[in-house]
Amino acid sequence: KAGVTQTPRYLIKTRGQQVTLSCSPISGHRSVSWYQQTPGQGLQFLFEYFSETQRNKGNFPGRFSGRQFSNSRSEMNVSTLELGDSALYLCASKDFVQGQETQYFGPGTRLLVL
Amino acid sequence: DQQVKQNSPSLSVQEGRISILNCDYTNSMFDYFLWYKKYPAEGPTFLISISSIKDKNEDGRFTVFLNKSAKHLSLHIVPSQPGDSAVYFCAASASNFGNEKLTFGTGTRLTIIP
Repeated sequence: KAGVTQTPRYLIKTRGQQVTLSCSPISGHRSVSWYQQTPGQGLQFLFEYFSETQRNKGNFPGRFSGRQFSNSRSEMNVSTLELGDSALYLCASKDFVQGQETQYFGPGTRLLVL
Repeated sequence: DQQVKQNSPSLSVQEGRISILNCDYTNSMFDYFLWYKKYPAEGPTFLISISSIKDKNEDGRFTVFLNKSAKHLSLHIVPSQPGDSAVYFCAASASNFGNEKLTFGTGTRLTIIP
């Protein structure tokens, strides 16, 4: 099976702009989670989508939003970008490993806000 | 509030010796723990996991130990190999089947010295 794919891989935006990131999960996986990785904070959970519904949300402001389509592909949107939004954004889809759900990550989208 | 802590940002180990990476957590609701390995420019890769009903799980050169009373887990890699050089994240979840979200530590950069 192909792995989790994310597009674009790199992105440069300026403050105030908005950005949309895309994630395609592993075929057959219906759950997609998004994470933000920064040097000081590590990996922080943004939200999770399952069957087109957001079923879990982290502690991020409303500028961060997402959606999931019927084919399980997911998009994440960040509006009114701030310098502190510069980070690696990772998405992950789930599978069962030894009876437990395990997340498989994509390569990430590196966002730089200038 | 960092619920999962990796207090050593970096660790250097001689090739062939044992690498021990540590992780502490504060949330007593966490009952499933995972270790991920991350190379630069790639997403985290699942390495090994452990459920709170166990205190040890072994997979080849990798062993994870869980001490629930101390809220501490560790990853042992033996023997360490140069390809093990990466950033290692521990993660935890309070598994509510299908709805768990992962809380990650800030990572430990492991360098294996040839």
